[in-house]
Amino acid sequence: QKEVEQDPGPLSVPEGAIVSLNCTYSNSAFQYFMWYRQYSRKGPELLMYTYSSGNKEDGRFTAQVDKSSKYISLFIRDSQPSDSATYLCAMSLQGGSEKLVFGKGTKLTVNP
Amino acid sequence: GAVVSQHPSRVICKSGTSVKIECRSLDFQATTMFWYRQFPKQSLMLMATSNEGSKATYEQGVEKDKFLINHASLTLSTLTVTSAHPEDSSFYICSASGGAYEQFFGPGTRLTVL
Repeated sequence: QKEVEQDPGPLSVPEGAIVSLNCTYSNSAFQYFMWYRQYSRKGPELLMYTYSSGNKEDGRFTAQVDKSSKYISLFIRDSQPSDSATYLCAMSLQGGSEKLVFGKGTKLTVNP
Repeated sequence: GAVVSQHPSRVICKSGTSVKIECRSLDFQATTMFWYRQFPKQSLMLMATSNEGSKATYEQGVEKDKFLINHASLTLSTLTVTSAHPEDSSFYICSASGGAYEQFFGPGTRLTVL
């Protein structure tokens, strides 16, 4: 079993749809959970960061962490064509100064 | 957010040659830098972690003699791929951390070994 599992998709939605992206993980010691967005041939860009369980909202993006289920989600409301990218979940034991373990990434296309 | 640059953005070399990739934190001091490799349609795989002034810590299966990492200052780390072969062709991405929760990623370097 991989440490972090993420459905690679691809996922295609119409503009304005609500997008739900998910990851599961096996290591209960993970404390820090991130979502990165990666455009083709570019480095990842941090979208959301959550410590431990709970929800966090930033504009159209909401991140949820359920440590009891070892399950994290990213919701994108009112999706836009500019949201088309690969979304990677990542997690670590002790924050940004420690190694990140990434999911495989989900390729999202938002069609106008 | 903070800015991390990588140079070169793309490099093509012949098999057997060595290639050096630079990673710089432009507006903050990076106590820790990370080097990742990403194959097409795959996730980022951590190769090594380096702290300024000390030897890099390599992940299992990564040859330290082939992938030389130097973190000589708080703003610069270099990755040298020695005696590169076609199977080393990949997208190499660095990230830098100033000690807080976030890692800032560079734009990546695409290496093609002929």
